Amino acid sequence: GQQLNQSPQSMFIQEGEDVSMNCTSSSIFNTWLWYKQDPGEGPVLLIALYKAGELTSNGRLTAQFGITRKDSFLNISASIPSDVGIYFCAGRGETSGSRLTFGEGTQLTVNP
Amino acid sequence: GAVVSQHPSRVICKSGTSVKIECRSLDFQATTMFWYRQFPKQSLMLMATSNEGSKATYEQGVEKDKFLINHASLTLSTLTVTSAHPEDSSFYICSARDLAGGLGEQFFGPGTRLTVL
Repeated sequence: GQQLNQSPQSMFIQEGEDVSMNCTSSSIFNTWLWYKQDPGEGPVLLIALYKAGELTSNGRLTAQFGITRKDSFLNISASIPSDVGIYFCAGRGETSGSRLTFGEGTQLTVNP
Repeated sequence: GAVVSQHPSRVICKSGTSVKIECRSLDFQATTMFWYRQFPKQSLMLMATSNEGSKATYEQGVEKDKFLINHASLTLSTLTVTSAHPEDSSFYICSARDLAGGLGEQFFGPGTRLTVL
């Protein structure tokens, strides 16, 4: 089946720093999504990508759909304490229908 | 984004009892709903996909007779954990997708924390 490798597993940064995380897949994806999950809550959709090469921003967040269709990255600029949480990438492949495959998550800690 | 609610937010039950979790799409019609399970410090694992008015499609390894799913309307899906045991304790999260809206993505509910004693 489809597999997603998300890295890094965790990050500890200072407030104001930029952050980058990425996901790679073993097969081609048609959709890449980035979610953030706070403790005890469900994931919240941050950015959705549908075309190879697509670069989309949402405030301080920027994500790109890799041209090979097997990877995506998420950047957070000028991090703030409320950016703390777990970030998940998720993808939908050509044969997966509506099903999403999730990465293992990146735990982000921002020190004030 | 679209709003998905879950009820209850947390439940504690005795081993052997059944627990029902409701998932509702509040401002859109969810043609497809998904149920996930998440253990501490792990990612989301898809349990099943349900389409309104039809039987749910379960992922490999998920017992359909233990995790009963009903998607009776375009705004409501329920997950019933039957004869719950301590190993069923987990965070259960539903998501809903509005395919009628074109590319409509999956929006997640706030989750239900199930603890089986």
